[in-house]
Amino acid sequence: GENVEQHPSTLSVQEGDSAVIKCTYSDSASNYFPWYKQELGKGPQLIIDIRSNVGEKKDQRIAVTLNKTAKHFSLHITETQPEDSAVYFCAASKEGYSTLTFGKGTMLLVSP
Amino acid sequence: KAGVTQTPRYLIKTRGQQVTLSCSPISGHRSVSWYQQTPGQGLQFLFEYFSETQRNKGNFPGRFSGRQFSNSRSEMNVSTLELGDSALYLCASSFLADHLYNEQFFGPGTRLTVL
Repeated sequence: GENVEQHPSTLSVQEGDSAVIKCTYSDSASNYFPWYKQELGKGPQLIIDIRSNVGEKKDQRIAVTLNKTAKHFSLHITETQPEDSAVYFCAASKEGYSTLTFGKGTMLLVSP
Repeated sequence: KAGVTQTPRYLIKTRGQQVTLSCSPISGHRSVSWYQQTPGQGLQFLFEYFSETQRNKGNFPGRFSGRQFSNSRSEMNVSTLELGDSALYLCASSFLADHLYNEQFFGPGTRLTVL
């Protein structure tokens, strides 16, 4: 089955810096890669996703890149703010299937 | 549009008991998936229901079961609770139409503690 590895497990940045979280996946058939943000006491919130027919997607301060050949994808957050502090999860799936395989998560701490 | 709702939010049970958790998906969503979240194992897929049928199942023992009703609401049941079943149980709903949209939206979860 699919295996998703996520790095780093913790990331501390200063407000205004950029943050990058990286994930690799094992199943070359996976073609849908969402990212979730989970705040304390809440469920994961979908923040951005990418499908394998594109290499990059942006939404304001966040962007995701995908390298299908290397089987890795990354989340980029620019101009970080304290409210970006949370645990971020990457996941992989195949289109048409609801089964998401998650990475172990990255705790992002943005210091003012 | 209301989001995914889960009840109850918190639950305390003792070993050997059984528990039923409920999930109401976003209106119009027909697929409901359940996940278990623990500090050690992270987020793990339990099962998925679509149109009242279980379509996919994760690697969990038979003590974990679920069902989906005609209005897409879903329940999951855990029988003979063990200490290791203590976790946050998350429900996610998806539209999952024929064109293969499968963004999943999560509820707040039910925190189950087994004593």
